[in-house]
Amino acid sequence: DADVTQTPRNRITKTGKRIMLECSQTKGHDRMYWYRQDPGLGLRLIYYSFDVKDINKGEISDGYSVSRQAQAKFSLSLESAIPNQTALYFCATSDGSGSPETQYFGPGTRLLVL
Amino acid sequence: SQQGEEDPQALSIQEGENATMNCSYKTSINNLQWYRQNSGRGLVHLILIRSNEREKHSGRLRVTLDTSKKSSSLLITASRAADTASYFCATDGNNNDMRFGAGTRLTVKP
Repeated sequence: DADVTQTPRNRITKTGKRIMLECSQTKGHDRMYWYRQDPGLGLRLIYYSFDVKDINKGEISDGYSVSRQAQAKFSLSLESAIPNQTALYFCATSDGSGSPETQYFGPGTRLLVL
Repeated sequence: SQQGEEDPQALSIQEGENATMNCSYKTSINNLQWYRQNSGRGLVHLILIRSNEREKHSGRLRVTLDTSKKSSSLLITASRAADTASYFCATDGNNNDMRFGAGTRLTVKP
């Protein structure tokens, strides 16, 4: 079984709709991250959380919100989706104990906003 | 803004050849990591090199780090068709986040 799972794996939505992407992990890690990947741009950090109820903005948090209600779950919401949020979204976890930090990634969610 | 930048953007080689990918970054780092991504899948951690290390090996992978030039290279020896994937470098930034480059797309032809 995968340690980091994401649902849905694929999603098509319309401009203006609210959607939520879910991430769950069984690794027992405190730290969780949301990234988006655009062609030719690499991964960019949206939000991250170091513990339940801890939320921090990343590079590109505008237009997104997150919720960390439990250690194992970190949800990413698009309050009002727009076409330029079409991307591949990855969730990642780490134990964050000291340095270095290795992050473990989920399989990704492919989002298309029409 | 991107911290790591890989080059080349795309690389195509024959099976059995070596593949070298480079990564440059802009600010001081504590560590640099390389990840692999198969098409449509999540990233897989390959290897980490610390700022006080110059070279590291893992199987057919060899990573070098030159902090004076702010660059790293990933060498895959005796490549296989299954090595076809995108490869990313990632550097640790402020607040314990990581910055990824755009990646190198490697194609290994059988």
